[in-house]
Parts: sequence; C-alpha cells; structure tokens
Amino acid sequence: ELKVEQNPLFLSMQEGKNYTIYCNYSTTSDRLYWYRQDPGKSLESLFVLLSNGAVKQEGRLMASLDTKARLSTLHITAAVHDLSATYFCAVDESAGGTSYGKLTFGQGTILTVHP
Amino acid sequence: NAGVMQNPRHLVRRRGQEARLRCSPMKGHSHVYWYRQLPEEGLKFMVYLQKENIIDESGMPKERFSAEFPKEGPSILRIQQVVRGDSAAYFCASSGFTGTASANQPQHFGDGTRLSIL
Repeated sequence: ELKVEQNPLFLSMQEGKNYTIYCNYSTTSDRLYWYRQDPGKSLESLFVLLSNGAVKQEGRLMASLDTKARLSTLHITAAVHDLSATYFCAVDESAGGTSYGKLTFGQGTILTVHP
Repeated sequence: NAGVMQNPRHLVRRRGQEARLRCSPMKGHSHVYWYRQLPEEGLKFMVYLQKENIIDESGMPKERFSAEFPKEGPSILRIQQVVRGDSAAYFCASSGFTGTASANQPQHFGDGTRLSIL
C-alpha cells in the first residue's frame, strides 16, 4: 500500500523567511502533484512533477522531485501572508503509462505566515 | 463556468437518512474520482468511474456507500443510513485522459460537499 508522508504538518513562518516542506512516498512513482487548499475551499493545482530531477517554479514556490529517493520538496522563498494555506502532495500509484489517476495524498502541511 | 460542479455545497442529514451528492465533471472529461476529507486530514480516494462503469472502488466502505456515473447526467455518490462518522467533506475530481496522456494534466477538483450528520 502506498504511503505518503509530509513534514512538517504545521509550519509557522515569519514573512520574508524561507522554508521547505518535504513529501516522502513509499513505492515507485514518477507522478507527483502539489495542491493548495484554503480553509473551506477546494484544491488548487500548483505543480505537476513527472520525472526524476524535475524542478518547477511559480512565484515564491519551487517544487522538485527525486524519484530515486522517493522525495519531493516544496520550497518557499521570502514568504508572504498570502501563502498561508494547507499544502498537499499527492502521488499517482501507477508508473510507466498505466496510470488512471488514483491519487494518494499526504496529510497536508498547514502553513501560517506571520507579519 | 466550465469547472467541476458539485452540489449541494452543504448537506445536513439526521442519522439513518440518505445522502446524495452530485458531481458534474468538467466539459469534455469522462473520468470522475470521489475523495473524502475528514477534518484536518488529507483526502482519501474512494472510487473512480467512467461513464456507466465503476473502474476502481477500492476506497469505498463495503456497506452503505455506492457511486454511479450514468450515461446522461452527473455522477452520484450515495450514502445510505448515514452515521455521525460519515461527516466529512466529499470532493469530486475529473480528468480527460488516462495513461501517459494524463500525466501532465492534474485532476480538477470541485468545491466539495460538506456533509454534516446530526
């Protein structure tokens, strides 16, 4: 059974600081997704990571994937209050083109950015 | 709005009643997924459907829960004889492809149905 673990689960940051959220998963997969969820809202797709060494950046967020280590990171640069939300990584259990999109989610990281 | 549409947004039921949650996928999408989110937890996969077919229901509880995606109309997640433990947010997601063609297209999620059991 695929397990996806995020850490930390709670992250309190000051504006302007940098930090990294980690996502470890237990079985082979080359498809990993990061989502953002605001309280009471749906999930917004942030990044799609499909291959070993993939790195994607959008604004103050950068995500990377190391399939050999089964690890993805979400790096936050110079945090601002608007980044406060819950961040989820999700792994597609399949590999090699047989995917049908069954996602296993991490527990989520609740990020709070303070002035 | 061509996004994933779920209704109702909020649903309150008493123990023992039935709950019906509806999901219309994005236009052009024929794959529907249902997930459940308990308070302060991540989403858990429940079921994957294509039109008129249940492809994977490995995350569905064995009793009281059923899902369908008919040829016409929305996908329905049905919970019979609800209990307090069914209180959760239920999210529907859709995608247009599977296999390698789906890889760079994330699933699109609806706004969810918050189910409360009295």
